[in-house]
Amino acid sequence: GAVVSQHPSRVICKSGTSVKIECRSLDFQATTMFWYRQFPKKSLMLMATSNEGSKATYEQGVEKDKFLINHASLTLSTLTVTSAHPEDSSFYICSATQGTDTQYFGPGTRLTVL
Amino acid sequence: SQKIEQNSEALNIQEGKTATLTCNYTNYSPAYLQWYRQDPGRGPVFLLLIRENEKEKRKERLKVTFDTTLKQSLFHITASQPADSATYLCALVLDSNYQLIWGAGTKLIIKP
Repeated sequence: GAVVSQHPSRVICKSGTSVKIECRSLDFQATTMFWYRQFPKKSLMLMATSNEGSKATYEQGVEKDKFLINHASLTLSTLTVTSAHPEDSSFYICSATQGTDTQYFGPGTRLTVL
Repeated sequence: SQKIEQNSEALNIQEGKTATLTCNYTNYSPAYLQWYRQDPGRGPVFLLLIRENEKEKRKERLKVTFDTTLKQSLFHITASQPADSATYLCALVLDSNYQLIWGAGTKLIIKP
């Protein structure tokens, strides 16, 4: 149980385009979903926290107009990287919680912006 | 300043031995601490959680200790196997908002 999926697993796009990443909790309803970014050999950096039906809470330094988060249902959250640039290339990971102590992580999405 | 430190150097352990990883933190008062495993190109996988009032937690070959006086957690893998090779991350949770504060992880290599 407690499986979280992400789609796509890898995406390559041209600079200036927008990319949408989906995060789904497959067998449970997620009260809260988190979006992280991770650089090679670095710790996970929390970007934002989202609760179903409400606006996401962004961490300091994360541009909310750049990284659009939609949490339309208890099983789906999306992250859209708008007007992507090469510096946005990274590994993006989502996680979900049922309101307990444990976060369940998706497998991650590798974004490469050319 | 607040920080979480894990050994940035890779840890090489002979198969069958016990691997011990360290997580130190400063200027935090965590409600609990978690350990995760991360394989290359994959998201973290939850392993164990230990609360501030618990000294030790076990799960199969895994053991975690939590010393709030030393501000340190130790993560042990007994009878280590090559399949245990991965990066292990510790994360603190400060309160009930479920946000995790992460260490950078320690890469563990178990040699056959």
